[in-house]
Amino acid sequence: DARVTQTPRHKVTEMGQEVTMRCQPILGHNTVFWYRQTMMQGLELLAYFRNRAPLDDSGMPKDRFSAEMPDATLATLKIQPSEPRDSAVYFCASGPGGSTEAFFGQGTRLTVV
Amino acid sequence: KQEVTQIPAALSVPEGENLVLNCSFTDSAIYNLQWFRQDPGKGLTSLLLIQSSQREQTSGRLNASLDKSSGRSTLYIAASQPGDSATYLCAVEDNNDMRFGAGTRLTVKP
Repeated sequence: DARVTQTPRHKVTEMGQEVTMRCQPILGHNTVFWYRQTMMQGLELLAYFRNRAPLDDSGMPKDRFSAEMPDATLATLKIQPSEPRDSAVYFCASGPGGSTEAFFGQGTRLTVV
Repeated sequence: KQEVTQIPAALSVPEGENLVLNCSFTDSAIYNLQWFRQDPGKGLTSLLLIQSSQREQTSGRLNASLDKSSGRSTLYIAASQPGDSATYLCAVEDNNDMRFGAGTRLTVKP
């Protein structure tokens, strides 16, 4: 059955290391979203793509975060260098363009120590 | 299992009206409740986050209240504008999960 797949599910890394999170959107969905969830801020939109082009990444710290879609089946969110304040659950979601429907992956729980 | 319900499912008002959107949840053991706005084809925009220890939050023309004991939250929008037209979602986070309501589709007519 169609679902959004995120890898890894859990990641523990040391401060200063590069972290790459991957997302495989549902086949045929042309919109991909990246969200970050923390206790203090709740769910925040970091960036989203349509047809692989970034439409809005204003929610993302530009100095250390980058999001790309190398192809239609893969979206990546990279943090370099990582910091303890980046510890959160990162969700990817995909949806058919033009609607409010979105399907979420199970998230990547990132801990930066 | 936490269930989140939003009423009404859709609402249409003339510009300038004050309005209230409702959100109810079945399990009061929550960490926080968050209100989002969603426009077609776009991601969720966080409007207000209320921690479980708080009773309300305000941002501009928006005010959200939380009554944990009764399992209710309201989003009050003052002096509505056509630009407020969107789907409004509430979500509660508890020990297990984050659960969304189905949303209220708001249309503000000029």
